[in-house]
Amino acid sequence: DSGVTQTPKHLITATGQRVTLRCSPRSGDLSVYWYQQSLDQGLQFLIQYYNGEERAKGNILERFSAQQFPDLHSELNLSSLELGDSALYFCASSVSWGERPLHFGNGTRLTVT
Amino acid sequence: GESVGLHLPTLSVQEGDNSIINCAYSNSASDYFIWYKQESGKGPQFIIDIRSNMDKRQGQRVTVLLNKTVKHLSLQIAATQPGDSAVYFCAENTGNQFYFGTGTSLTVIP
Repeated sequence: DSGVTQTPKHLITATGQRVTLRCSPRSGDLSVYWYQQSLDQGLQFLIQYYNGEERAKGNILERFSAQQFPDLHSELNLSSLELGDSALYFCASSVSWGERPLHFGNGTRLTVT
Repeated sequence: GESVGLHLPTLSVQEGDNSIINCAYSNSASDYFIWYKQESGKGPQFIIDIRSNMDKRQGQRVTVLLNKTVKHLSLQIAATQPGDSAVYFCAENTGNQFYFGTGTSLTVIP
């Protein structure tokens, strides 16, 4: 158990809808990363927060947004969903950034129908 | 952009044999590398890491080798067990960013 908790485990929704994915980092970790993993694809970096502030952005669509709250949990909001957004979404946390391992949750599997 | 690649997408080994999974990276400025294991339905699990000032690091049944000259990373698993069957990713870190390969699927044959 990595100590990173993601909810829900599965999410099925229709195109055009909006969903929120939630992540609780490991105790003591200040940094939260969000990744998308599609079938046969590697982990694609979306966004990173550190102690409540956005620190880095990857290939995150404008329809997607995220935030990290004062208690350090994070939410990833996906709106105007399209079929191509179907994927596994992982949250990872780390003590800080850089030369520190990321610890991943078990992901949220999003299916857009 | 960054490029982290794996030489083989699949690898099958006999139980008890040693496994070697390879990874090439493209950014010579990358200074930290991690190997992850991902089992079906789970998130990537940290296995071992290595910093660029090292060539080799050993863990329990695993060894990571780093060859900075050719930008190559390998993961060696000793006495491979059925529970080692999974997808293995390498990741390179440059500054604040991690870049992941697509993974190698390891199958252990009993």
